[in-house]
Amino acid sequence: DAGVTQSPTHLIKTRGQQVTLRCSPKSGHDTVSWYQQALGQGPQFIFQYYEEEERQRGNFPDRFSGHQFPNYSSELNVNALLLGDSALYLCASSLPGGGGNSPLHFGNGTRLTVT
Amino acid sequence: SQKIEQNSEALNIQEGKTATLTCNYTNYSPAYLQWYRQDPGRGPVFLLLIRENEKEKRKERLKVTFDTTLKQSLFHITASQPADSATYLCALDIFHASGGSYIPTFGRGTSLIVHP
Repeated sequence: DAGVTQSPTHLIKTRGQQVTLRCSPKSGHDTVSWYQQALGQGPQFIFQYYEEEERQRGNFPDRFSGHQFPNYSSELNVNALLLGDSALYLCASSLPGGGGNSPLHFGNGTRLTVT
Repeated sequence: SQKIEQNSEALNIQEGKTATLTCNYTNYSPAYLQWYRQDPGRGPVFLLLIRENEKEKRKERLKVTFDTTLKQSLFHITASQPADSATYLCALDIFHASGGSYIPTFGRGTSLIVHP
């Protein structure tokens, strides 16, 4: 049973460029959340997708956008990259509603470096 | 303002001892509280979840307590082993009515180092 898979594992981009990160959820999960984790910090919630729609959004600018496909996989897009966007981007899947019924299952993340 | 506080200093203990990690929070009313383990370069792995009406939860060598009056959770690892060395994150499950779902909000984590 495959867990959450993310690609690519590492990425180096230049300021101002755009990037797309990809995520396949754990089998049986249909809700995908994205988190940004800076070095030495905890994961910060970016947004959550369910039924191909953004259901909840954290405190991130519009440069961060996403998409969920009919097979529940998801993409995170970041436009106009800034140096401060350098971080580990984590995708997590869960059952609908989350909470006590469904903790998050994380992938191993994409390490994004912006130079 | 809302805060989740975990000790930023690493916790160093000797193998076989009990490790106790603390998670304090302010201005939150979580329905659930979760603990995750994160190894370097890897995603967090879920360990335990405790509900607001539960005082204590156990799983093998792990024990979590949840005091909603003190706004504090304690995470214990008994008979610790070097393999337990990792960063441990607490996360508060907050219900967002606009989206109809619980969104875990994470602390920064505490690094545990178990010495042989």
